[in-house]
Amino acid sequence: GESVGLHLPTLSVQEGDNSIINCAYSNSASDYFIWYKQESGKGPQFIIDIRSNMDKRQGQRVTVLLNKTVKHLSLQIAATQPGDSAVYFCAEKGAAGGGNKLTFGTGTQLKVEL
Amino acid sequence: EPEVTQTPSHQVTQMGQEVILRCVPISNHLYFYWYRQILGQKVEFLVSFYNNEISEKSEIFDDQFSVERPDGSNFTLKIRSTKLEDSAMYFCASIPGVADTQYFGPGTRLTVL
Repeated sequence: GESVGLHLPTLSVQEGDNSIINCAYSNSASDYFIWYKQESGKGPQFIIDIRSNMDKRQGQRVTVLLNKTVKHLSLQIAATQPGDSAVYFCAEKGAAGGGNKLTFGTGTQLKVEL
Repeated sequence: EPEVTQTPSHQVTQMGQEVILRCVPISNHLYFYWYRQILGQKVEFLVSFYNNEISEKSEIFDDQFSVERPDGSNFTLKIRSTKLEDSAMYFCASIPGVADTQYFGPGTRLTVL
């Protein structure tokens, strides 16, 4: 079936370095993607989104890249801070027949080392 | 900034008991969702709700589950006879319109003993 998944379950980075979190999706009909951050015991927090007619979108310290050719999505965090430590999920919306529901990937744990 | 709120933050219940999880979506939002997350796993869609009826549901959302918007502010998820495997975090989400990003509440941790 269609799925959204992440390549790396855990990513450790030094404070101040840039982080790159990757996501693969299998449904070529997906037209909207979102990155969420989830801290322990909390709900998913919206970070940034991108539509399939774009390749790149930038926010504050974060950039999302979309490569539709290989169905790959990445989240780049610049100058990673201890407060960035969390689990990061990519989510897909708008796939054919999928309605408005979000389909989440399995998550990547980002650990920021001092 | 408006937020989705959920109560209780933690609910402990005995297997076979009914539970009601409550959500207060953001006031001008029209679309409402429930998701669940079993410990250590990904977030899974349960149900979406619009115009006082279910618009979509997953295979997880069986006859033991129901949703309701009893008044203009609350959105509830009821599990009629809880099972051990219902233990999870349950998240409510809402959006103002169909093309908008979903914003999540803090979740209710349900523990079924």
